[in-house]
Amino acid sequence: SAVISQKPSRDICQRGTSLTIQCQVDSQVTMMFWYRQQPGQSLTLIATANQGSEATYESGFVIDKFPISRPNLTFSTLTVSNLSPEDSSIYLCSVEVGTAMEKLFFGSGTQLSVL
Amino acid sequence: DAKTTQPPSMDCAEGRAANLPCNHSTISGNEYVYWYRQIHSQGPQYIIHGLKNNETNEMASLIITEDRKSSTLILPHATLRDTAVYYCIVSTSGTYKYIFGTGTRLKVLA
Repeated sequence: SAVISQKPSRDICQRGTSLTIQCQVDSQVTMMFWYRQQPGQSLTLIATANQGSEATYESGFVIDKFPISRPNLTFSTLTVSNLSPEDSSIYLCSVEVGTAMEKLFFGSGTQLSVL
Repeated sequence: DAKTTQPPSMDCAEGRAANLPCNHSTISGNEYVYWYRQIHSQGPQYIIHGLKNNETNEMASLIITEDRKSSTLILPHATLRDTAVYYCIVSTSGTYKYIFGTGTRLKVLA
C-alpha cells in the first residue's frame, strides 16, 4: 500500500492567481497521477508524472495551465495557473503500487474554490 | 472515454447484500476489472480487482461473467458506511491509465 499526503486540503483563491498542490508519498513510486473532479462529476485524468521526464498530459489539459514537477520518486506538485471560477474542483494525486497487480492509491484531495 | 457503463444510482437496505453491476462489453483479453469507491469527496479507495476468475477479499466479492463482458461487485452485508459512489474501471496492468466512468451512487438505507 501507500500513504499519500496532499497539501493543502482546501483553499480559496482569487481569480488570476495560481495554486500549487503538493503530493508526498511514503514510498518510492515510478508514476504519479493528477486527477481533477469537478463538482458532482467523476474523476478526469489531467496528467501522468514520471520522475526525470516531462509530464504527459491528457487531451484538454496543457502544461501552461497545469505545470507539474516531479523532482524525485516520492514527491510531485501540480500548479493550477491563472485561476478562473471554472477551475473550482477537487484535485487528487494518486500513485500506482504493486508489481504484477497494480492498484491506485489516492490522496485525500485538494478542494479549490476560485472567487 | 470510459469503457464501462454503470447504473447511476442504487439503494440497498442495511444488512442486505448490495449487488452493483458493470458492463464492459469491449474489454480486451489483458484488461483487468477494478472497483473503487469514493465516500463523500474523499480520495477513491481501492476495493477489488480481477481478470477472469471470481475474487473475494475482506471488503467485497467480484463476479466476472465467463465472456468477461460484465461483472458484479457484491458487498455481502451493506452498512450505512458503504454509502458511496462506486466506480468500475477496466485497465491493462502496467499501462498506468485508469479512466473513471460516471459510477454508481449507492445509498444504504437504515
